[in-house]
Amino acid sequence: DAGVTQSPTHLIKTRGQHVTLRCSPISGHKSVSWYQQVLGQGPQFIFQYYEKEERGRGNFPDRFSARQFPNYSSELNVNALLLGDSALYLCASSYRPGQGADEQYFGPGTRLTVT
Amino acid sequence: LAKTTQPISMDSYEGQEVNITCSHNNIATNDYITWYQQFPSQGPRFIIQGYKTKVTNEVASLFIPADRKSSTLSLPRVSLSDTAVYYCLVGDMGDDKIIFGKGTRLHILP
Repeated sequence: DAGVTQSPTHLIKTRGQHVTLRCSPISGHKSVSWYQQVLGQGPQFIFQYYEKEERGRGNFPDRFSARQFPNYSSELNVNALLLGDSALYLCASSYRPGQGADEQYFGPGTRLTVT
Repeated sequence: LAKTTQPISMDSYEGQEVNITCSHNNIATNDYITWYQQFPSQGPRFIIQGYKTKVTNEVASLFIPADRKSSTLSLPRVSLSDTAVYYCLVGDMGDDKIIFGKGTRLHILP
């Protein structure tokens, strides 16, 4: 079975630009969460989506937005990129919300570098 | 949310048993203890979860004392491929908004 897939693998952007990251959950999974992992730190929760609705939001500015599509895939958008947005962006999927930490499956991430 | 404290880094040798201890003094009654593993440039991967006493699976064992204020992840006979960051998490069973700390960077030496 295919796991969580994310695209692109790597991305280089310039300050002020916009970026869109994509995530496809495991087949049958309807909940998608996004995390940001800065080098040397643990992942930080950004968003959770379920059935196209936002279910949770972490402490991130409004420059960060996301959406989920009818096929349960998701996009994370970041506007007006800052150097500090350079990080590994991780997507995690689960069958539905409330499954707990033991039922979250993470993708390989997208490495975003802002110059 | 209960905060966790774990060593920043550890070194060990191939074939040894490695024990990583995590402190969670403010753990709540409904909280479970979960450990994740993360290899460089990969997403975190669930290893093991427990509530009390001892849990064992094909990868690791998790020891939790009666007061549940700490837990120990035990990796038997480690190999070079066990070099990774290990995260200790504490949260409610249904809480899938995972709060990660800095983790423990485990380095296995030949």
